Amino acid sequence: DQQVKQNSPSLSVQEGRISILNCDYTNSMFDYFLWYKKYPAEGPTFLISISSIKDKNEDGRFTVFLNKSAKHLSLHIVPSQPGDSAVYFCAATHSGAGSYQLTFGKGTKLSVIP
Amino acid sequence: GAGVSQTPSNKVTEKGKYVELRCDPISGHTALYWYRQSLGQGPEFLIYFQGTGAADDSGLPNDRFFAVRPEGSVSTLKIQRTERGDSAVYLCASSLTPDRVNTEAFFGQGTRLTVV
Repeated sequence: DQQVKQNSPSLSVQEGRISILNCDYTNSMFDYFLWYKKYPAEGPTFLISISSIKDKNEDGRFTVFLNKSAKHLSLHIVPSQPGDSAVYFCAATHSGAGSYQLTFGKGTKLSVIP
Repeated sequence: GAGVSQTPSNKVTEKGKYVELRCDPISGHTALYWYRQSLGQGPEFLIYFQGTGAADDSGLPNDRFFAVRPEGSVSTLKIQRTERGDSAVYLCASSLTPDRVNTEAFFGQGTRLTVV
């Protein structure tokens, strides 16, 4: 049973527009959420994170929104650039569990069209 | 180097053989993690080290998989009697301290293992 779900395998967006990547989770014990970006043949690169005590975190063009009641988070990229084309993974962890393992979704492939 | 380094980048082995995958974490990082990413899936947790000890090995799929970190730095993931289903990209990550994984963990480029 997948605890972190990214239901859109792919997304295409025009350059300059907003990209919205979605993620749902089922485990209510998760208290930190992270987004990673992955280019082909490279390891995932940390992008942005949010604690469950917040509902928004912003870093430059990237903003993550968290809706705890809906167990849903989203990553907004504004404006989208061709270099943003990559696979984006949503991940979650339960800090109280003591194991510090990350649970990942399957990823969403973002294509930004020039 | 500045980042997490994994060797080899690619490994092709025959079914039934033994393989070792190596991870050099970022210098000074006490926490080290191994993940496995199968085709079309996200990374799946295998094992986590705090220093030299395996603090959580609950993700290892069976006793053919074993990992060590004898000096608290470099780690080796060992797979015995490889099976075709072991084919995947094996990712290593490190963080300064275990709780820092909640804000960021740095990943290596991975080792692509193919069992034929």
